[in-house]
Formats: sequence, structure tokens, C-alpha cells
Amino acid sequence: DQQVKQNSPSLSVQEGRISILNCDYTNSMFDYFLWYKKYPAEGPTFLISISSIKDKNEDGRFTVFLNKSAKHLSLHIVPSQPGDSAVYFCAASKPRAAGNKLTFGGGTRVLVKP
Amino acid sequence: ETGVTQTPRHLVMGMTNKKSLKCEQHLGHNAMYWYKQSAKKPLELMFVYSLEERVENNSVPSRFSPECPNSSHLFLHLHTLQPEDSALYLCASSQELAVEPYNSPLHFGNGTRLTVT
Repeated sequence: DQQVKQNSPSLSVQEGRISILNCDYTNSMFDYFLWYKKYPAEGPTFLISISSIKDKNEDGRFTVFLNKSAKHLSLHIVPSQPGDSAVYFCAASKPRAAGNKLTFGGGTRVLVKP
Repeated sequence: ETGVTQTPRHLVMGMTNKKSLKCEQHLGHNAMYWYKQSAKKPLELMFVYSLEERVENNSVPSRFSPECPNSSHLFLHLHTLQPEDSALYLCASSQELAVEPYNSPLHFGNGTRLTVT
């Protein structure tokens, strides 16, 4: 059973517009959430994170929103740029468990059109 | 030097071969990981080493054998693999912290694309 789900496998957006990526989770024990970005032939790179004590975290063009009651988080990228074209993974972890065990979603491929 | 380096980038091996994947991190982290990414599946955690001791093994088949000789190096020894083991194998590292969130974000290498024939 997949505990972290990204139901949209792909997303296409015009340059300058907002990209909204969604992620749902089922395990209420998760308390820390992260987004990673992956280019082809490269490993994922950390983008932004949020703790369950917050409902929003912003870093430049990237904002992550967390709705604990709905077990839903989203990543907003505004304005979107062609260099943002990549696969985005959300991930979640439980309270202090040995080894930083992250559960990943399946990813959303974003294409930003010039 | 990139933070986490994996070699080789590509590997093709037969089912009877023995090979090893190598990972080296230059970030001073104290935890290292092996992840597997199969086609159309989420990243799956295989092994975790914290302070050079294995703390997590998600019931991975014994044909995969990890080794962590020190906090900077991690190996994945492969033997008698199956074609379904073909995947992208990613190494990662992080720093375990004494305060929340208790771990820094994972830093990944670029992976080894493994094909088992």
C-alpha cells in the first residue's frame, strides 16, 4: 500500500504561470515532509521541507502548503521557469526513527513551456 | 568534487556475475543510504547505515549485500541478480541531528543504472 501518493504523473504549464503539485499521504504518523527535484541522469536534489507544526513554508519561488486534516500537501512554483522542468517527488517521514526513513511518492513530471 | 559520487554510472551484468557499486560522500555526513528506483515505482529504501552501523534493512534479498567501511564510503555488492533487479540504484547521505527534524535532508548521488541480462 502506497502511503505517499502523487496522483498527477505529469503537469504542463506556461512559463511565468504557477505550477501546483499535489501530494497525499495516508499515515497520520508522518510529521515531516520534503520535496525533491530530479533532472534526467541526475540524483534527486532537496528543494524545500515543512514540519507538521507549520502549514506553510516559503523559499523564494517555492512554497509548500500542508493541510494535516486532509493529509495533503502541495508545492507551488511561481513564476515557473523552463529550468523548473523536472520530476518532483514528495516524501514524508515519521517522528525520530533511526536512519531518516523517508517514504517517497511516485513523482510528477513538470514541463514548463517557454 | 560533487557531494555524493557514485561509480559506475552504468553497469550491465549477467545473472551469474558478481559486481559492486561504490558510493563516496564528501559532505561530512554520518548516515548513508541505498535506494532503488524501478520503472514507474517510487523510490524504495534498501539499506541505511548510521555511524557505520546498519540500522535499517527493508527485507532486501540477500543477493544484495551492503558494506560501509567508514562514514564516507558505502558499497553495494551484487551477486546472482535477476532481470527484475534492473533499476537505478541511488546512494544518499545525511547528517543525523540531536534536535528536530533529527536529520538533514538527503543528498543523493547521480545513481548507477543497472541492467541485468
